[in-house]
Amino acid sequence: QLQLQESGPGLVKPSETLSLTCTVSGGSISSSSYYWGWIRQPPGRGLEWIGSIYYKGTTYYNPSLRSRVTTSADTSKNQFSLKVTSVTAADTAVYYCAKFTIFGAWFDPWGQGTLVTVSS
Amino acid sequence: QSALTQPPSASGSPGQSVTISCAGTSSDVGAYNYVSWYQQHPGKAPKVMIYEVTKRPSGVPDRFSGSRSGNTASLTVSGLQAEDEADYYCSSYAGSNILVVFGGGTKLTVL
Repeated sequence: QLQLQESGPGLVKPSETLSLTCTVSGGSISSSSYYWGWIRQPPGRGLEWIGSIYYKGTTYYNPSLRSRVTTSADTSKNQFSLKVTSVTAADTAVYYCAKFTIFGAWFDPWGQGTLVTVSS
Repeated sequence: QSALTQPPSASGSPGQSVTISCAGTSSDVGAYNYVSWYQQHPGKAPKVMIYEVTKRPSGVPDRFSGSRSGNTASLTVSGLQAEDEADYYCSSYAGSNILVVFGGGTKLTVL
């Protein structure tokens, strides 16, 4: 079945760029039916949608993060990626990737999540 | 502050029913049939329990049901079981500018 796995540095310095990759197995990110999304969860807090991307490049971002966020897709590697620039301690969170059914606006399945800490 | 409003906590005894509310606006919950509910156990990734207001993915027990009245959606868990103890989050489509908004989450305790 479809599985997603996040990867990337667990520690990022303030003002630097956070970069994460989501590797998809058991299915193709080139499916015409789905988008692919990023969601984050600060420790002890709720979920926040970051952005979603279609394999052909169409993107949607949370307006509160739009100026600092970029997503991309690599169909040859069956991966999609997230970059958040100029990070601060407020960007410390567990970052999840997930398949996003845009007509329905729901996420399933999710990756296991990866904790990214912003600290010097 | 989350876009959708959920009670921080809810509780019930085994076998009872509990309903968790998710208050939005006429621009999100009240505008589209695109409300979802997620269950999250400690240290685990969220799992979708309800999508498109009332639909259950395969494998989700029929003890879980969703509904909506106006700008407020609800998740009802019937016949509470110990394994239902978790955090629950609602989400809604909110238009092409911000695709998805989440609620702040509700911690469900099975007494």
